Amino acid sequence: GAVVSQHPSWVICKSGTSVKIECRSLDFQATTMFWYRQFPKQSLMLMATSNEGSKATYEQGVEKDKFLINHASLTLSTLTVTSAHPEDSSFYICSASPSGGSEQYFGPGTRLTVT
Amino acid sequence: GQQLNQSPQSMFIQEGEDVSMNCTSSSIFNTWLWYKQDPGEGPVLLIALYKAGELTSNGRLTAQFGITRKDSFLNISASIPSDVGIYFCAGQLRGYNFGNEKLTFGTGTRLTIIP
Repeated sequence: GAVVSQHPSWVICKSGTSVKIECRSLDFQATTMFWYRQFPKQSLMLMATSNEGSKATYEQGVEKDKFLINHASLTLSTLTVTSAHPEDSSFYICSASPSGGSEQYFGPGTRLTVT
Repeated sequence: GQQLNQSPQSMFIQEGEDVSMNCTSSSIFNTWLWYKQDPGEGPVLLIALYKAGELTSNGRLTAQFGITRKDSFLNISASIPSDVGIYFCAGQLRGYNFGNEKLTFGTGTRLTIIP
């Protein structure tokens, strides 16, 4: 149980375009999902907390207009990287907590490369 | 953002050896989690600790929640090749209603097994 999926697993896009990444909890409902970014050989850095039915909470230094988050249902959150630049190239990982639970389960990650 | 200090940063061991790593924080957490991440994958939850002083085992893995609530350690006994990967600790401050609070990750410990 507690499986989280992400789509796509990898994506290459041109500079200036937008990319959408989906995060789904497959066998549980999640009122809260989290989006992380991980650069090579570094730890996970939280970007934002996504709450179903309300606005996301962004960490300091993360541009909310560039990284659009939508949590439209209890099983789906999306992250859209708008006007992507090469410095946005990274490994993006989402996590989800079962409603009422405290443990976070992570998706397999999405490798974004902006050319 | 804040990161927890993990040590050692990397370990090179022989198969069958025991492993010990720890994680320290300048602030208190009421939940400690240990994750393992394989290359190109999302982190997988290994052990969750909820009480100061708690000692929990999961197979060959043992983790303890420090009595000061500012540290935790993870031990792996009789290491095997599939133990290779990056181990992250994560601290969480859960609210009294067990809301889905964000995680603060450690800097990671990279485990390599020497043939």
